[in-house]
Amino acid sequence: GAGVSQSPRYKVAKRGQDVALRCDPISGHVSLFWYQQALGQGPEFLTYFQNEAQLDKSGLPSDRFFAERPEGSVSTLKIQRTQQEDSAVYLCASSLVEGAVAFFGQGTRLTVV
Amino acid sequence: GENVEQHPSTLSVQEGDSAVIKCTYSDSASNYFPWYKQELGKRPQLIIDIRSNVGEKKDQRIAVTLNKTAKHFSLHITETQPEDSAVYFCAASTMAGGGADGLTFGKGTHLIIQP
Repeated sequence: GAGVSQSPRYKVAKRGQDVALRCDPISGHVSLFWYQQALGQGPEFLTYFQNEAQLDKSGLPSDRFFAERPEGSVSTLKIQRTQQEDSAVYLCASSLVEGAVAFFGQGTRLTVV
Repeated sequence: GENVEQHPSTLSVQEGDSAVIKCTYSDSASNYFPWYKQELGKRPQLIIDIRSNVGEKKDQRIAVTLNKTAKHFSLHITETQPEDSAVYFCAASTMAGGGADGLTFGKGTHLIIQP
């Protein structure tokens, strides 16, 4: 595809439920980022992959959050036992190489009820 | 870590007038400063960026200035048009794209263009 693609666009989860959010980066892009954007706020960094290696996960808010990119392309962000404070838009971004401009996906809006 | 402050949170200007959004950053190691435009429900889109080896960059109606000494950078939009209405985010990083620890964003400015 032409850009970063995320699915689903919207997800409603009951508190305590596990969710999985998918990111398809631009083909060939080595670097992949996940951000969390709360309502009315700027995106906040969660984690960074270079190919399949997760080089930084310092932004993950708790051990309920887990991200993977097993083949260095598609990435999944998993949130276990969702809480209301997890409600946010989760944005994925990719760049051709480390140090290149990052392009964002449209995000997944997660609402925990 | 890096901290980015952005002002104002809301800016309303008459169509045709100029708009200025200001950001400050804390980490002197930051050397890449992008600006993203985000329309409601859409992805952030890069509109302009600047690296620390230049003080100003212009692209048609949009310009960005950087003062490394003051750790301050600004977005200038001239001859504003209704389609400029959106939320604008500044960001800072030690590397284009965000490097290993991503981009640090400001809280955003909601720009409203009054017809």
